[in-house]
Amino acid sequence: ELKVEQNPLFLSMQEGKNYTIYCNYSTTSDRLYWYRQDPGKSLESLFVLLSNGAVKQEGRLMASLDTKARLSTLHITAAVHDLSATYFCAVDINRDDKIIFGKGTRLHILP
Amino acid sequence: GAVVSQHPSWVICKSGTSVKIECRSLDFQATTMFWYRQFPKQSLMLMATSNEGSKATYEQGVEKDKFLINHASLTLSTLTVTSAHPEDSSFYICSASPGTLTNAEAFFGQGTRLTVV
Repeated sequence: ELKVEQNPLFLSMQEGKNYTIYCNYSTTSDRLYWYRQDPGKSLESLFVLLSNGAVKQEGRLMASLDTKARLSTLHITAAVHDLSATYFCAVDINRDDKIIFGKGTRLHILP
Repeated sequence: GAVVSQHPSWVICKSGTSVKIECRSLDFQATTMFWYRQFPKQSLMLMATSNEGSKATYEQGVEKDKFLINHASLTLSTLTVTSAHPEDSSFYICSASPGTLTNAEAFFGQGTRLTVV
């Protein structure tokens, strides 16, 4: 059974600081996703990582994938208040679009 | 990106009644769609895989007689919560993917917030 573990589950940080969210998964996969969810809203796709060593950046967020270590990271650079949200990593192990989610990281950035 | 639309966005119903939620892929065809449930401050839990033209596949612990799924066309899947109870109150989200080799991304509907009173 696939397990997707995120840490930390909750993160409170000051604006301007850097931090990393980690996502470990238990079964081999080369499809990993990062999503953002604001309160009361659905998911916003941030990154799609499809190969070992993949690195993608958008603004202050950068995601990477190490399929050998079964690890993905979401790095936040110089955080701003607008990045406060819950971030989910998710994995598709069978390439069948059936996505299993981690528990999410609630990020709270203090102004 | 591709668009997946859910309807309604929110619904309030009385205990014992049934509620139908629609999930449509607006600009692509999807032979499979997925239904998730999310309780407050929790993650998304996969409920079932909706298969066009055949029976849905339910995850362990999900009652198939309570959560009826119909996928009658390549652009529409419906989830019916039958004999709803307050514990069924949740945020229900569907997803679908164009499924091309160059586009492995799944797209999510805007979600349906169900409140059973």
